[in-house]
Amino acid sequence: KQEVTQIPAALSVPEGENLVLNCSFTDSAIYNLQWFRQDPGKGLTSLLLIQSSQREQTSGRLNASLDKSSGRSTLYIAASQPGDSATYLCAVLNTGGFKTIFGAGTRLFVKA
Amino acid sequence: GAVVSQHPSWVICKSGTSVKIECRSLDFQATTMFWYRQFPKQSLMLMATSNEGSKATYEQGVEKDKFLINHASLTLSTLTVTSAHPEDSSFYICSARDTWGDTEAFFGQGTRLTVV
Repeated sequence: KQEVTQIPAALSVPEGENLVLNCSFTDSAIYNLQWFRQDPGKGLTSLLLIQSSQREQTSGRLNASLDKSSGRSTLYIAASQPGDSATYLCAVLNTGGFKTIFGAGTRLFVKA
Repeated sequence: GAVVSQHPSWVICKSGTSVKIECRSLDFQATTMFWYRQFPKQSLMLMATSNEGSKATYEQGVEKDKFLINHASLTLSTLTVTSAHPEDSSFYICSARDTWGDTEAFFGQGTRLTVV
């Protein structure tokens, strides 16, 4: 059974810092891994999607890497801003059943 | 990008009543849709896989008679919470995959259900 773990569970940083969010998964049989942002009481905003054959994806200040063999992904946020404050969710799409399994998320707070 | 519309965005109902939530793929066909539930400060938990024209597949521990899923067309799946109770209050989110696309799933904006 696929399990997705995110570390840390919560993070508070001053504005301007570069930071790394970690995600690990137990079953490497995945189609892709996706990072989402969720604001309180809101739905999901897709940030980056990495196919299983890819190593990384970049969008603006965000960079996500994937090491499928070791079951790890990192989301790098450069020059963090208060507007980045949200919960960041990592999710993997299993090859068996096409089910997307989510991690518990990292709650990020960027202080002005 | 592909759009998934979920309706309503929030609903308050009395205990014992039923509530229907709709999930529509607006610009693509979705043979398969998924329903998730999220309790406060917790992650999304997959409830069931909705398959067009056939019965839904429920995850372990999810009561199929309580959470009725109907996927009658390639663009619409509905989740009905029957005889709702306060413990069913949660955030429900659907996702859909483009039948003719790649493996990316697109998510609705969620429905906040409050049972009083």
